[in-house]
Amino acid sequence: GESVGLHLPTLSVQEGDNSIINCAYSNSASDYFIWYKQESGKGPQFIIDIRSNMDKRQGQRVTVLLNKTVKHLSLQIAATQPGDSAVYFCAENISGYSTLTFGKGTMLLVSP
Amino acid sequence: GAGVSQSPRYKVAKRGQDVALRCDPISGHVSLFWYQQALGQGPEFLTYFQNEAQLDKSGLPSDRFFAERPEGSVSTLKIQRTQQEDSAVYLCASSFLQDQPQHFGDGTRLSIL
Repeated sequence: GESVGLHLPTLSVQEGDNSIINCAYSNSASDYFIWYKQESGKGPQFIIDIRSNMDKRQGQRVTVLLNKTVKHLSLQIAATQPGDSAVYFCAENISGYSTLTFGKGTMLLVSP
Repeated sequence: GAGVSQSPRYKVAKRGQDVALRCDPISGHVSLFWYQQALGQGPEFLTYFQNEAQLDKSGLPSDRFFAERPEGSVSTLKIQRTQQEDSAVYLCASSFLQDQPQHFGDGTRLSIL
């Protein structure tokens, strides 16, 4: 659902499950996308990025999928661990422009 | 350390006072960005430097906000005559080049009383 103020969308999973966090981006001209993880009291931490000439990119335990047709981005986390609990933000950028526009964020809660 | 460093981590000021927030980017990073993050929201862009040049300040909310990076390394965000609505976390990020991943510091939490 949509977040309003402090009420972030929340995804609750069990340790060991796979997690999928979704993001709808706003600008069809955006061609660079980044996923960030933010723990309480800390700055956003880079997880993985993808450019618009790709549909999929894999990292360590994470995969980002990009669907430009419907302006949708997803982050898949394999074998989710309690240390993955955080707020996850997608961010979009247009090459040549400085502004990185962040989505509203999703809180991931991982239970042992 | 090797990451972006911000100071102070916490700042409390009375309404009307001026504040200055410091950012030490990752060594060698040409691009430096400032963001404002309200509670429960994503960061919002304030301004961007390439070396010492401020190339984009379109996100600064008012002329009370001023940023500088005089030698192309350390940057300072200054807020004059602070208001309660300025209370937020101020994040600094740097990247090697403009269209490469931005790496963030842990921010300065500013509270205006």
